[in-house]
Amino acid sequence: SQTIHQWPATLVQPVGSPLSLECTVEGTSNPNLYWYRQAAGRGLQLLFYSVGIGQISSEVPQNLSASRPQDRQFILSSKKLLLSDSGFYLCAWGTANNEKLFFGSGTQLSVL
Amino acid sequence: GESVGLHLPTLSVQEGDNSIINCAYSNSASDYFIWYKQESGKGPQFIIDIRSNMDKRQGQRVTVLLNKTVKHLSLQIAATQPGDSAVYFCAGVSNDYKLSFGAGTTVTVRA
Repeated sequence: SQTIHQWPATLVQPVGSPLSLECTVEGTSNPNLYWYRQAAGRGLQLLFYSVGIGQISSEVPQNLSASRPQDRQFILSSKKLLLSDSGFYLCAWGTANNEKLFFGSGTQLSVL
Repeated sequence: GESVGLHLPTLSVQEGDNSIINCAYSNSASDYFIWYKQESGKGPQFIIDIRSNMDKRQGQRVTVLLNKTVKHLSLQIAATQPGDSAVYFCAGVSNDYKLSFGAGTTVTVRA
């Protein structure tokens, strides 16, 4: 069966520090991968998605970047965090037609 | 793209009663909708889905209704239990296969 792993679960970082969140998927090949951000009490905002290794699409201009160095690995990064980067970050994977997304357990990022 | 939104941000329901959560969408070309449940501090979990060629679909204690005329879908939870307390999201799939999520409805079950 397919599983998705996301870590760390919580992270507190100072403003201006770098960020690296990692997500890996097991049990499937060539998944579509997604990074979402969820502000407190809000819906999910799509940040990045990837349909293959090295292929990244950005949905909104921001202080973040994403990379997919391996088929089942998706990384969310920042060189210098802003206060506004705080939020709950969710990684998800989907099948080729993306009719369903399966989410990781999320990372609660607090930038202080 | 798709724009979805929920009608009410919060819903309080007595344990044992039925819950109804509503959602509206804007893109009449959307052909697939999903309901997710998100418990505090966790990622959303798939509950049930429905295609646009259906009006109703039932799962275990849950039913999704789709009214394409008014671009509205709802999630009904029968005999609501304390474990049903969570935030519920509807999501629509647009023709570019990206899900658009509503803001969510927080359901609180009263004992």
